[in-house]
Amino acid sequence: DAGVIQSPRHEVTEMGQEVTLRCKPISGHDYLFWYRQTMMRGLELLIYFNNNVPIDDSGMPEDRFSAKMPNASFSTLKIQPSEPRDSAVYFCASRPQTGLGVSGYTFGSGTRLTVV
Amino acid sequence: AQSVTQPDIHITVSEGASLELRCNYSYGATPYLFWYVQSPGQGLQLLLKYFSGDTLVQGIKGFEAEFKRSQSSFNLRKPSVHWSDAAEYFCAVGANTGTASKLTFGTGTRLQVTL
Repeated sequence: DAGVIQSPRHEVTEMGQEVTLRCKPISGHDYLFWYRQTMMRGLELLIYFNNNVPIDDSGMPEDRFSAKMPNASFSTLKIQPSEPRDSAVYFCASRPQTGLGVSGYTFGSGTRLTVV
Repeated sequence: AQSVTQPDIHITVSEGASLELRCNYSYGATPYLFWYVQSPGQGLQLLLKYFSGDTLVQGIKGFEAEFKRSQSSFNLRKPSVHWSDAAEYFCAVGANTGTASKLTFGTGTRLQVTL
């Protein structure tokens, strides 16, 4: 199993530009999560999906952030327009339907975003 | 709401010494508890988890953790630390219902190992 795959690994962009982060969850996993990690705030849950449907997006910081999951094998997190305070490492994680306690999450390697 | 507190931001231990990382949680029902490790530039790797049964759980890399309901704690231990254990460690708590499936993470403890 290739694990959770995120792309790109690093992204440097200028303020005001649109940024799209991508995630491929583990095949068969029904839940997908987007987290943001910063020194100041630690790991924050932005949004999660169950069977491609957004369940809780209360962590999405602003309307500039949007996430989609058009099918079971792909999700995107978009920031438009980007700002320097969006600089962080963004993680995607997935888990199967069988239960949180059984499996926990599997994390991708993250995308390090720098907005200059 | 569920929450996790890791009171130690940074810990330094000598290689071969024992280790205990503290974690306290807040959750109204029986929690699911996890410890993850993050090496620099990497994602989070699951070390161990607890959701029922024996309160002492064994994980990978020689780690163990003990669930103490009376203290709302889930401390991580290792009897003899190796230099390769230097990393950041996160405790997490999750709800035990299918609909409320999200994990809440602590702020992490950075472990430094001296030779």
